[in-house]
Order: sequence, then C-alpha cells, then structure tokens
Amino acid sequence: GAGVSQSPSNKVTEKGKDVELRCDPISGHTALYWYRQSLGQGLEFLIYFQGNSAPDKSGLPSDRFSAERTGGSVSTLTIQRTQQEDSAVYLCASSLVRRGQVGYTFGSGTRLTVV
Amino acid sequence: KNEVEQSPQNLTAQEGEFITINCSYSVGISALHWLQQHPGGGIVSLFMLSSGKKKHGRLIATINIQEKHSSLHITASHPRDSAVYICAVRSETGNQFYFGTGTSLTVIP
Repeated sequence: GAGVSQSPSNKVTEKGKDVELRCDPISGHTALYWYRQSLGQGLEFLIYFQGNSAPDKSGLPSDRFSAERTGGSVSTLTIQRTQQEDSAVYLCASSLVRRGQVGYTFGSGTRLTVV
Repeated sequence: KNEVEQSPQNLTAQEGEFITINCSYSVGISALHWLQQHPGGGIVSLFMLSSGKKKHGRLIATINIQEKHSSLHITASHPRDSAVYICAVRSETGNQFYFGTGTSLTVIP
C-alpha cells in the first residue's frame, strides 16, 4: 500500500488478556519502529527492526511486551497479561534509506484501552 | 531531566503570524526530526536535520549542532497549521530515539 497500515485501529480489552497489534510497513522499507503515546505523554520508543539484524528491544517496558517481524515485512507487537497502564496509542513507523537520508512514515496507530 | 526539551508547551497565534518552536537536546545525535501530529490523526515527519537549515513551503527548520538547539518556524501561519509539533532526536551511538513532549499550536482565524 501507499502508507503504513496498522490494525486494529481501536482495541478494548480486559485486564489480564493478551493482545496483538499489527503493522504493515511500506513495501521496501527496511526499518520498522514501534512507539507508544500514553495520554498526555510524549512518544516513547519501544522496539526497532532493521533488515535481518537483531532488533533493538531496549525500549520495551517489560517482559510482557514482545514483537516480531515476519520476512522483513509485517510486524506484530504482542502484549501479554495486559494492565491498565498499557492503555495508549501504539504507533508503527517505517523508513527507507535514500541517498543517506532517512524519511519516516508513521501509521495512524492502534488505540488500546485496557479495562 | 528529559533528553529533549521543547518550548513553548502551548502556543496560540493569530492567522498570519510568524511562529517559532524551540527544541534543545542534551545527547549526541545523528539526526533531529520535526514531527507534526493533528488531533485524532497520524504523525507526519516534517524534517530530518543533521546540520544547517531546511525549508519546505512555509516551514523552515534550523539546527545548531554546537549549541544542541533546533528551531521550527512557520511563516504566515494558517488555522490548518494547528497541531502538535514534536521534536525527536536519534542518538549518534545507536538507534535510540528521544522525543520532546510536543508543542500544541492553535492558529486562530
């Protein structure tokens, strides 16, 4: 597609349930990023995938969070045993290196509400 | 202390005014980004800077590496410029990103 696609756009889940968030990056983009934005907070980096390299997981807040990227394309962010503090908008971005410059394109996000 | 500080946090301007949003950072960086987020919408990357100045339409972004400071200017502001503007830096040592908390801009007709 023309942009970064995320699904679902909204997700309401009960505390303790697992959720999966999906990101379809722009075709050909080698890098993929997950961020989250909690109410009233700035963007928080979660995880970064670049090609076939091991992902940079330094931003994941706990071991309940994990992410994978299948075949260098689609990525899934999984949150196990969700807690109310996990409620946030989860944003995915992809980027392409072009002439040494990097342009980022963000998806519209998944709004997660844990009740 | 946040690695990236933005000012002001909130800004209201009359249509046509010249607007400046400031960003200061405390870490070594490989690049600085200015992002725009509309209410209920996605985030758009406006500029990526590693030195100097860039211009796109009515938007101008500058960076001073020595002073660790960047500014985003909007000339002849318009109500459609109303959004949250976010400064983000990419660390020079890896792929860590640090974000400012954003500047909420409202342009009144």
